[in-house]
Amino acid sequence: DVKVTQSSRYLVKRTGEKVFLECVQDMDHENMFWYRQDPGLGLRLIYFSYDVKMKEKGDIPEGYSVSREKKERFSLILESASTNQTSMYLCASSLGAGLAGRYGPYNEQFFGPGTRLTVL
Amino acid sequence: SQQGEEDPQALSIQEGENATMNCSYKTSINNLQWYRQNSGRGLVHLILIRSNEREKHSGRLRVTLDTSKKSSSLLITASRAADTASYFCATYSKGSGNTGKLIFGQGTTLQVKP
Repeated sequence: DVKVTQSSRYLVKRTGEKVFLECVQDMDHENMFWYRQDPGLGLRLIYFSYDVKMKEKGDIPEGYSVSREKKERFSLILESASTNQTSMYLCASSLGAGLAGRYGPYNEQFFGPGTRLTVL
Repeated sequence: SQQGEEDPQALSIQEGENATMNCSYKTSINNLQWYRQNSGRGLVHLILIRSNEREKHSGRLRVTLDTSKKSSSLLITASRAADTASYFCATYSKGSGNTGKLIFGQGTTLQVKP
C-alpha cells in the first residue's frame, strides 16, 4: 500500500515562529503536493514538486516555501507563522506525468493524514 | 477559484438509501476523479473517469461524466453508516502540462443515518 506520512497530526505554534511540516512517501512518486484546507474554501494548492529540487507555486504560495532535497520527502516551511495560517495542511504524492501509471499521465493522488496547525 | 463545484453541499439520508452527488466544472478536462475524506483525515481516492468515458463502476459506486454539460455525478448505492464522509470531485484540465495538478471542488458532506 502507498503510504504518505506527515510529521505531526496536531501542531500549535506562536505568531512569528518558523514552522516545518514534513511529508514522506514510500512509493517512489515523482510528484508531491502541499494543500491547505479551510471550511468553505475547500482544498487549495500551496506548492508542488515534480522532481527533486524542483518546485512550482500553486494557487496560494504567499507566506510559504518548500524544500525537496530527496525524492521521498517534501517539506513545507512557514517562515514566520501568522494566525491566518491556522489550517489543516495536507500532503499528497502521485506518479509523474508521462510515466506508465495505471491511468496514463494524470494519476490519482495519495494523501497523508493531515496536520492541523494552530497559530496563536 | 475552484474548478469543480459539488452539489448539494450537504446530504443526509437513511442507511440503505442511495446517495447522489453532482460536480460541475468549467474548462475542458483530461479526467475527473472523486475522493472521500473522513472527518479530520486525509483524502482517499475513490474512482477516476477519463474524458472519453461516460460511466464507470467500482463496487457500490457509479460515476457518470457528461463532457457536453461539463458535469459528473457520483452515486453510492445501498449506503452504509460508514459512508458518512465528505466527497470531493477533482479535475485535471487539458493543457495543464505534465505537472499532475488537480483542482478540487469544495465537497459534499454526506451523513448516513443508521
